[in-house]
Amino acid sequence: GAVVSQHPSRVICKSGTSVKIECRSLDFQATTMFWYRQFPKQSLMLMATSNEGSKATYEQGVEKDKFLINHASLTLSTLTVTSAHPEDSSFYICSAWSSGGLDTQYFGPGTRLTVL
Amino acid sequence: RKEVEQDPGPFNVPEGATVAFNCTYSNSASQSFFWYRQDCRKEPKLLMSVYSSGNEDGRFTAQLNRASQYISLLIRDSKLSDSATYLCVVNAYSGGGADGLTFGKGTHLIIQP
Repeated sequence: GAVVSQHPSRVICKSGTSVKIECRSLDFQATTMFWYRQFPKQSLMLMATSNEGSKATYEQGVEKDKFLINHASLTLSTLTVTSAHPEDSSFYICSAWSSGGLDTQYFGPGTRLTVL
Repeated sequence: RKEVEQDPGPFNVPEGATVAFNCTYSNSASQSFFWYRQDCRKEPKLLMSVYSSGNEDGRFTAQLNRASQYISLLIRDSKLSDSATYLCVVNAYSGGGADGLTFGKGTHLIIQP
C-alpha cells in the first residue's frame, strides 16, 4: 500500500514555542492531505483539508492562525502549531489522498506533541 | 448527537470466539463506510470498506443497513493479534479519499488466550 511518513514522531516543547510537523507521501503524489487530531480516548477529529497549491480549509472551531498549514508540493504538507500551549498536546495524524486512483486515505504514523 | 457512535467496550473475548461490533451514524447523506483498526498509540489502518450488499474478507464480515444507518463488523475465529481498537468511519461522499473522514471513538477489543 501507499506510504505516508510524518516527522517528528514525538516532540516535547515548552509553552509558547512553535512546532512544525511534516507529512510526506513517499510513493505517490497526494492531491489532498488531511490533518487530524486525536486526544486521549477520543476519536480522530479532522482539523483541516489541504490541497496542493491552495489555502487549506479548516473545520469549524480550528483556528487557522494557530494551526498553519502549507501544502507546497504534491508530496509534502506541513502543520505548524504556533505558540503551543499545554491544551494543544495531542496526537496529530496526517493522511494523504491521490486523484490518480487511490480512493482511500493513507495515514501517516502520527506525531505525539507534548507541550509543557 | 454524535455523528458516529460506537460502544467503546472493552470487549474481552477468548481466542477463537466470534465477536461483533456495531456502529450507528447520524448523517443520512453518508455515502461510504469503512472499518479501520487502530493499535495503541499508532495511526489507523484501513481494515475494510463496507458495502450495502455486505462484504467479507477472510475472517472479517462487514454489513451496512442504510435504512437504520447501522454498520456492523463480525470477526470469526478471533486471534490474539486482533486485539486493537476498531474504528467505524463514514464519509459524506462516495469513495474514501477526497474528503475528510468522520471517525467513531472506536471499540476496544481484547482477545484473551
